[in-house]
Parts: sequence; structure tokens; C-alpha cells
Amino acid sequence: SAVISQKPSRDICQRGTSLTIQCQVDSQVTMMFWYRQQPGQSLTLIATANQGSEATYESGFVIDKFPISRPNLTFSTLTVSNMSPEDSSIYLCSAQGSGAGQPQHFGDGTRLSIL
Amino acid sequence: SQQGEEDPQALSIQEGENATMNCSYKTSINNLQWYRQNSGRGLVHLILIRSNEREKHSGRLRVTLDTSKKSSSLLITASRAADTASYFCATQSGGSYIPTFGRGTSLIVHP
Repeated sequence: SAVISQKPSRDICQRGTSLTIQCQVDSQVTMMFWYRQQPGQSLTLIATANQGSEATYESGFVIDKFPISRPNLTFSTLTVSNMSPEDSSIYLCSAQGSGAGQPQHFGDGTRLSIL
Repeated sequence: SQQGEEDPQALSIQEGENATMNCSYKTSINNLQWYRQNSGRGLVHLILIRSNEREKHSGRLRVTLDTSKKSSSLLITASRAADTASYFCATQSGGSYIPTFGRGTSLIVHP
């Protein structure tokens, strides 16, 4: 199974600033995703990171706020822009092989606090 | 909207007891997966059961699927303190390969 490395593991940021989270997979994967998770809650999908093209965003998430890059099949970044306290959350990267019935493999997440 | 809904939301048991968590969903699925999340970590895939399967085992884990009732259960036998975690079900439906996660069950196993 794929091993996902995500960094930073946590950060405390000032409102109005931006933070870029990196996600590295140890093997080439077809699909990569970014999720947000409030402590003790379920996962909310932000977007699917598409290699070589613009990410596909879920309802309620926009590119200006959460720009995503995916330059190759093993790496992706998520930027949280112009942060406010409401953006305080856990951000998780995941990877999944192609085809039906493939499990997702997750990084350990980035715990983000906005002051 | 979330597809899977886990029940109970929280479960507290003693080491050695069995833990049963349930997941209900609303629409037809291709498969259902169970994940575990330890505190401060990402989710780890435990087991996948396809819509044409009724039961699967993996070590101390037993998963059942009842498509007529749109429900699944995860049984952890002879629980250990290390099983303390949140457990999520996730469903894949239609032509989408992206699973939809439920709210999770928080399991505490007391030593």
C-alpha cells in the first residue's frame, strides 16, 4: 500500500496569511484527494487533485481559497489562502489507485490553527 | 451529504469484550469500506466488502453487509486497548470511485 507523507504536521498561523501543505506519495498513484476534518467529525472532501490539470472542487470550496497543485503522479500541494479562524481544522491528503474497489491511503494530516 | 451513518457515535468497553459498530446508508452501493483513525493520525483502511458479499473476515475483524437493509456492521472480537480509535464506514456508489465517509464511531477500550 502507498505511504503518504504530509507536511507540516501542524502549524499556528495568523489570520490573513496563507499556508501551503505538501503531500508526497512513495509510488505513482492515479487519484489524490484533499479533505478537511474538524476534530471528532467526519471527513469533508475539498477537491480531487488532477495531474496536469485543474483540481475538481466540491460544492462550497473554490480555487481562490484552496488552490491545489499536482505536478506529477506522486506529489500534490494544498494552499489555504487568506486564512481566518474558521479555517482552523485538520487537513488530510489521500491517494487511491484507479478502478473500482480501491481503498484510500491517508497521510497523518496537518493540524492548522488560525489566531 | 454523507452516505454512511455510524451507530453508536461512541462506545466504551473493557478489554477482551467484543465491539460492534453499525453503518447505515441511503442509496445503492458498489462496495463499503471500514477505516480506523487513531488519535492524531490519518485513516487506515481495514476491510472492503463488495455489494455481492455478505460477510468478510480479517483477523479479529468481521464485517457483514445487508444490502436489503442498507446496513453494515463491524465486529471487533477480543478487543484490546490498542483498538481505541474512531472507526468510519465509507461507501462507493455508481460510477464514482470516491468513497463517501460517515461520521464515525469513537471506540474506547479500557485496559
